[in-house]
Amino acid sequence: AQSVTQLGSHVSVSEGALVLLRCNYSSSVPPYLFWYVQYPNQGLQLLLKYTTGATLVKGINGFEAEFKKSETSFHLTKPSAHMSDAAEYFCAPDSGGGADGLTFGKGTHLIIQP
Amino acid sequence: NAGVTQTPKFRVLKTGQSMTLLCAQDMNHEYMYWYRQDPGMGLRLIHYSVGEGTTAKGEVPDGYNVSRLKKQNFLLGLESAAPSQTSVYFCASSGQGAIDTQYFGPGTRLTVL
Repeated sequence: AQSVTQLGSHVSVSEGALVLLRCNYSSSVPPYLFWYVQYPNQGLQLLLKYTTGATLVKGINGFEAEFKKSETSFHLTKPSAHMSDAAEYFCAPDSGGGADGLTFGKGTHLIIQP
Repeated sequence: NAGVTQTPKFRVLKTGQSMTLLCAQDMNHEYMYWYRQDPGMGLRLIHYSVGEGTTAKGEVPDGYNVSRLKKQNFLLGLESAAPSQTSVYFCASSGQGAIDTQYFGPGTRLTVL
């Protein structure tokens, strides 16, 4: 069964600084990988996803993530943080093992300091 | 195009009461999911459906039942609510299961006293 670890339940960066949110998954079989964002009091929406092909994936709002098989990682980055990026971010590999869903990480709350 | 809608948005129940949460999608998606979100726990899958008339258990199915009588609707039932079921419930749908984008509803905040 898949498991996923997001390092840091809260990450604080200054406006304009680099954003780095870490995600590691457990499966030895490369999964499909997703990052979702949740703004306050809303449902989740897709930021980006990796299925096959290019390992550097670009998403919405200037975010990107790189799939590194050797490190079983899929870290999310953005070169310059904006106040509107303040939200909860979830990494989600597919559950594997024939299940038809995603395994969500516990989430990282991104705080943007003015 | 409303996407995924959930009814109700908020509900307070007493222990032992029952209720049904309704999820509806207008994207003709085959797959539908029910998750619960608790602080510090992320989202955990309760039940899911891969098509009309089918349901399957997820990670935390105990205390919940589901039905998918129509393709566009996915119902989540609590037969005898417990305080441990206090949570925010999200419904999602996708076209092709785990490889596809899931579209989420706005959530239902449930409190069980």
